[in-house]
Amino acid sequence: TQLLEQSPQFLSIQEGENLTVYCNSSSVFSSLQWYRQEPGEGPVLLVTVVTGGEVKKLKRLTFQFGDARKDSSLHITAAQPGDTGLYLCAGGRSNFGNEKLTFGTGTRLTIIP
Amino acid sequence: EAGVAQSPRYKIIEKRQSVAFWCNPISGHATLYWYQQILGQGPKLLIQFQNNGVVDDSQLPKDRFSAERLKGVDSTLKIQPAKLEDSAVYLCASSLGQRASYEQYFGPGTRLTVT
Repeated sequence: TQLLEQSPQFLSIQEGENLTVYCNSSSVFSSLQWYRQEPGEGPVLLVTVVTGGEVKKLKRLTFQFGDARKDSSLHITAAQPGDTGLYLCAGGRSNFGNEKLTFGTGTRLTIIP
Repeated sequence: EAGVAQSPRYKIIEKRQSVAFWCNPISGHATLYWYQQILGQGPKLLIQFQNNGVVDDSQLPKDRFSAERLKGVDSTLKIQPAKLEDSAVYLCASSLGQRASYEQYFGPGTRLTVT
């Protein structure tokens, strides 16, 4: 059972356009991370949010954690070809005394020059 | 700072054969993870170590998969015997501690193809 559903699964847009990727769950998370993965490489952390309603900006990327800590969004302004990759959200939850990170289904983003 | 190292990068085997993957985490990282990533999907945790002890192996198919982290540093993941559905990228990651909010540093992965 996949706890974190991402949408859209695939997104292909022109350079310069804006986009939003969503990460949704019915479960509450103590923290939410976004990673980007390029072909042949492992995921690389972009941001961690831990407070409901928290908004973080990283240059042209804006991340928001939902008030109820069940969902998150990633907004990219003026997309560039370098933004191409697989975007993964990952939620942290306590599990029998251990904190476990569960990854979402992924959004494959292609920016067309 | 050296990143997480994994080998081999690619492996092709026939079903029912065995295979082993190796991971060297970032120096000083106590927590080590092995993930399975099916093409186009998010990584699925197979096993988590804290130093040389297993913290979570609830999603590890223990009838065919095994992993160890001797001396709390390097780790190996073994599959025996392999099935076609084991074709995937196997990612190793490490972090300073067990908290889910800690950054996990991933290696480049081993792409396994089972024919």
